[in-house]
Amino acid sequence: QKEVEQNSGPLSVPEGAIASLNCTYSDRGSQSFFWYRQYSGKSPELIMSIYSNGDKEDGRFTAQLNKASQYVSLLIRDSQPSDSATYLCAANDYKLSFGAGTTVTVRA
Amino acid sequence: EAGVAQSPRYKIIEKRQSVAFWCNPISGHATLYWYQQILGQGPKLLIQFQNNGVVDDSQLPKDRFSAERLKGVDSTLKIQPAKLEDSAVYLCASSLDRLAGGHNEQFFGPGTRLTVL
Repeated sequence: QKEVEQNSGPLSVPEGAIASLNCTYSDRGSQSFFWYRQYSGKSPELIMSIYSNGDKEDGRFTAQLNKASQYVSLLIRDSQPSDSATYLCAANDYKLSFGAGTTVTVRA
Repeated sequence: EAGVAQSPRYKIIEKRQSVAFWCNPISGHATLYWYQQILGQGPKLLIQFQNNGVVDDSQLPKDRFSAERLKGVDSTLKIQPAKLEDSAVYLCASSLDRLAGGHNEQFFGPGTRLTVL
């Protein structure tokens, strides 16, 4: 059973703060990792992908990958109310295994 | 570029009835996926197609669920007969090619919300 675990939420952060989301995975064969954002009642939207150890930055989002520790994280800098959503971590070994998601609420 | 299309968006049926969902992937995407997402959970893969062939249906309840992708483009997912626990959102996703270097970025359609009464 390939498992992806995410830190339990909900996570509430003030506007302008950094939101930190964590994810661990069990399958060492996973080759790539993705973060999806899912607004309530909507489908998942791909926001970040990472394939190599280290950091990857895209605008206010930074993904971090540590394959030795089987750990992936997502940082959201300067959080905005529009970032309020559920964030899904997914690990890919020719098919995606998703975590249950972490719900983030950015309070004004 | 058009995204993944799905229909219907919503469906309400009685238990033991049948239902079918349709998906049209992003043009040129060889790999198509059907997921089931129950409220409060992450999407769970039901079946994965590479062109018109099934590559993984290990989590598809085959006694009641079936899916096809006859011409390697559109796909349909059917449930017959439906049970109460099938109430969920059914998501279709596509990617360029699941064998493309393992990156396999998947893009989701809007989903079909199924309610079984």
